[in-house]
Amino acid sequence: EVQLVESGGGLIQPGGSLRLSCVASGLAVSSNYMSWVRQAPGKGLEWVSVIYRDNRTYYADSVTGRFTISRDKSTNTLFLQMNSLRAEDTALYYCARGYLDSDGYYFDHWGQGTLVTVSS
Amino acid sequence: DIVMTQSPDSLAVSLGERATINCKSSRSVLFNSRNKNYLAWYQQKPGQPPKLLLYWVSTRQSGVPDRFSGAGSETDFTLTISSLQAEDVAVYYCQQYFSTPYTFGQGTKLEIK
Repeated sequence: EVQLVESGGGLIQPGGSLRLSCVASGLAVSSNYMSWVRQAPGKGLEWVSVIYRDNRTYYADSVTGRFTISRDKSTNTLFLQMNSLRAEDTALYYCARGYLDSDGYYFDHWGQGTLVTVSS
Repeated sequence: DIVMTQSPDSLAVSLGERATINCKSSRSVLFNSRNKNYLAWYQQKPGQPPKLLLYWVSTRQSGVPDRFSGAGSETDFTLTISSLQAEDVAVYYCQQYFSTPYTFGQGTKLEIK
């Protein structure tokens, strides 16, 4: 059974930094397409970032230059380093596995999310 | 970026009746050489993460009841629930995985009338 468990969220002041973690079981983070997707309170879903199996990374324009996605094979963990945080980054951050199928991938497994609140 | 627009924003349907949600993309998500539309649908119930319902427009994820179906191509898509059940109350999202950023529709809230 696949499980994704996020942690690292919390209350942070504008301009601050946080690192989110997503520990996976039942799948290998290093050999999957892994993404972060966020959801602001009462709002819809926003894709944030992806790391491919070949280590290529992509980001939403709204976080480019501020967020960095990475992973650790030894602990089977996905990370999201978030710097220069803004109020508009306040959201529930989900870790999701992208299932590769015909050069496309859709998100078939999701964690429960970790809440990030950016406020003074 | 490909913009995904769903309609309606909310929908109330009687139990046992049909519910239809529309999704329109600003550009085609059809990969011509593969003849595949890179379009998925997700269901999100309150307090839960999204759940994959359909991919490639109409392929049901394992365990998804066959009352859920999808149709469409290129830029216009629909999700249909043939006979609404109480457990189908949720917000539904379409998402394109044709190109980054992998954009979602704004969501359609489905309720019981």
